[in-house]
Amino acid sequence: DVQMTQSPSSLSASVGDRVTITCRASQTINTNLNWYQQSPGKAPKLLIYGASTLQGGVPLRFSGSGSGTDFTLTISSLQPEDFATYYCQQSFSIPRTFGPGTKVDIK
Amino acid sequence: EVQLVESGGGLVQPGGSLRLSCAASEFTFSSYWMTWVRQAPGKGLEWVANIRPDGNEKYYVDSVKGRFTISRDNAKNSLYLQIDSLTAEDTAVYYCARGGSFFNSWGQGTQVTVSS
Repeated sequence: DVQMTQSPSSLSASVGDRVTITCRASQTINTNLNWYQQSPGKAPKLLIYGASTLQGGVPLRFSGSGSGTDFTLTISSLQPEDFATYYCQQSFSIPRTFGPGTKVDIK
Repeated sequence: EVQLVESGGGLVQPGGSLRLSCAASEFTFSSYWMTWVRQAPGKGLEWVANIRPDGNEKYYVDSVKGRFTISRDNAKNSLYLQIDSLTAEDTAVYYCARGGSFFNSWGQGTQVTVSS
C-alpha cells in the first residue's frame, strides 16, 4: 500500500498569511494526488485533483504542486473560512490512501 | 446540484450487522464509480471500498475484506454497504462519495457505533 504522510500535523496562522502544507508518498505516484478540506462536523470537500488542477468553485488562493513523491498545497492568503483540516489522498493505486491530515487553526 | 444522502447507521452490538444506503440524485449515477470512506471519532479519513459503474468490479481495504460488501442498484440510483461481523474498530462516520480516483461530491455521512 502507498503510505501518505503530511507535515506539519498542525499549524497556527493568521488571516492573510501564506500557508504551505506538504504531503509525501512512500513511493512514486506521478501526479495522482488530491487535496481535501474538512471543517468540523462537515463532509470533506475536494479542493485539488491531479496534484494541481483546481476543482470548480474553489477559490484561486488555493494551489497545488508536485509530482513523484512530494507535493504541496498552498493557500496564498488565508481567509477565516479556511481554518479547517486538510488531507491529501493518492489515487495511483488501490487501496486509495489518505494522509493523516493537517489542522490549520487561528493564531 | 449533486446530492448524496446516506442512511442506515446506528448503534449495533459487536458481531452485528448493518446495511448502509446512499441515495444519489442530480447526476447520472450509472456512469460513475462510487466509493465509501469512513472516519473514526477524532481520526482521519479511511478509504473503505469502491465499485465500478456497472457493479462488476469492486475493491476493499484489507481491514474490511470478507466482512463488508459494496453494491449498487443503478435503477434506484443507490449505493449500499453491507457491514457484518462489526467490531469496535468499525465505529465511524461512513460517507459515500462520487468517484473512484478522487471524490468530488460527498454525502453528509451516517454514524455507525459498535458497542455492547
